[in-house]
Amino acid sequence: DSGVTQTPKHLITATGQRVTLRCSPRSGDLSVYWYQQSLDQGLQFLIQYYNGEERAKGNILERFSAQQFPDLHSELNLSSLELGDSALYFCASSFTTGVDITEAFFGQGTRLTVV
Amino acid sequence: GENVEQHPSTLSVQEGDSAVIKCTYSDSASNYFPWYKQELGKGPQLIIDIRSNVGEKKDQRIAVTLNKTAKHFSLHITETQPEDSAVYFCAASRGSSNTGKLIFGQGTTLQVKP
Repeated sequence: DSGVTQTPKHLITATGQRVTLRCSPRSGDLSVYWYQQSLDQGLQFLIQYYNGEERAKGNILERFSAQQFPDLHSELNLSSLELGDSALYFCASSFTTGVDITEAFFGQGTRLTVV
Repeated sequence: GENVEQHPSTLSVQEGDSAVIKCTYSDSASNYFPWYKQELGKGPQLIIDIRSNVGEKKDQRIAVTLNKTAKHFSLHITETQPEDSAVYFCAASRGSSNTGKLIFGQGTTLQVKP
């Protein structure tokens, strides 16, 4: 158990809908990262938050957004869903933001299926 | 841009043999290189990492080597066991940019035959 908790584990929804994925980082970790894993794209970095502030953005679609709350949990919001958004979404957490890198630990993921 | 190439995409070995997975990165400012193991239905699990001021690191049957000049790093697993079967990902990170985001390779599916 990595200590990173993601809910829900599975999500099935229709095209055009909106969903929210939730992540609770390891106790004491300030950074939260979101990654998308699809069969043909591997693990792609989406976005990072550090202590409530956005720190880095990757190839995140405009239909996707995220935030980190004062208790450090994070949510990833996916809207106007398309079939191609079906993937595994992972959250990872680490203690620091990057200048002094510490290990990143991953949750078990949320499997999103858009039908 | 930032890119990590990983080879091979699949690797099949006999139990007890060694396995080697290689990665090449493009961003010369990268200074942290972790390796993750992902089993079916689970999230990636960190198995070993190396920083740019070190050339080699070992942890029991697992070792990682880094060649900064050539911008490549490798994972070596000795005395492989069936439970080593999984997908392995290399990654690179540029700590100096004040973000710990990881750029991943495409993954290697390792099969260890009993």
